[in-house]
Amino acid sequence: QKEVEQDPGPLSVPEGAIVSLNCTYSNSAFQYFMWYRQYSRKGPELLMYTYSSGNKEDGRFTAQVDKSSKYISLFIRDSQPSDSATYLCAMRRSYNQGGKLIFGQGTELSVKP
Amino acid sequence: GAVVSQHPSWVICKSGTSVKIECRSLDFQATTMFWYRQFPKQSLMLMATSNEGSKATYEQGVEKDKFLINHASLTLSTLTVTSAHPEDSSFYICSARDQGGGGTEAFFGQGTRLTVV
Repeated sequence: QKEVEQDPGPLSVPEGAIVSLNCTYSNSAFQYFMWYRQYSRKGPELLMYTYSSGNKEDGRFTAQVDKSSKYISLFIRDSQPSDSATYLCAMRRSYNQGGKLIFGQGTELSVKP
Repeated sequence: GAVVSQHPSWVICKSGTSVKIECRSLDFQATTMFWYRQFPKQSLMLMATSNEGSKATYEQGVEKDKFLINHASLTLSTLTVTSAHPEDSSFYICSARDQGGGGTEAFFGQGTRLTVV
């Protein structure tokens, strides 16, 4: 069983839709949770970062962490064609754990005009 | 956010030759950098952790003699793929944390696409 599970998609939505992306994990020691966006042939770009359980909002993006269920989500409101990319969840055990991130497989999102 | 620059962005080399990839933190000091490998439509696989002034720590299954890592300064880490073969063709990405700034986020370079022919 992988430590982090993420549906690879592809996920296709019409412009303006609300997008929900999710990851589940098995290790309860994870405390730091991140979402990255990766365009084709580019390096990942940090979108959201949260610590422990709770919600965080930044513009059209909302990240949620539910540690009791070992489940994290990223919501994109009013999705745009420019949001078309692969979204990777990532998590880390602790601040000083060598900084190693464990990634999900990534979900490929396509927003159609 | 902090900027990590990776060079080259793509490279084609002949089988048996060596290729060096550079990763630089442009506006912060990074005592630790990370090297990942990514196959098409797959996630990032951590290859090694690069520590400034000491030996790199390699993940299980990664050949340290094939993937040489040097982290000679607080802003530069290099990955050298030695005696490259077609199966080494992949997308290589580095990342670094701005630990001096107190953040826990990792910032990534733009990646290097290596094609071995």
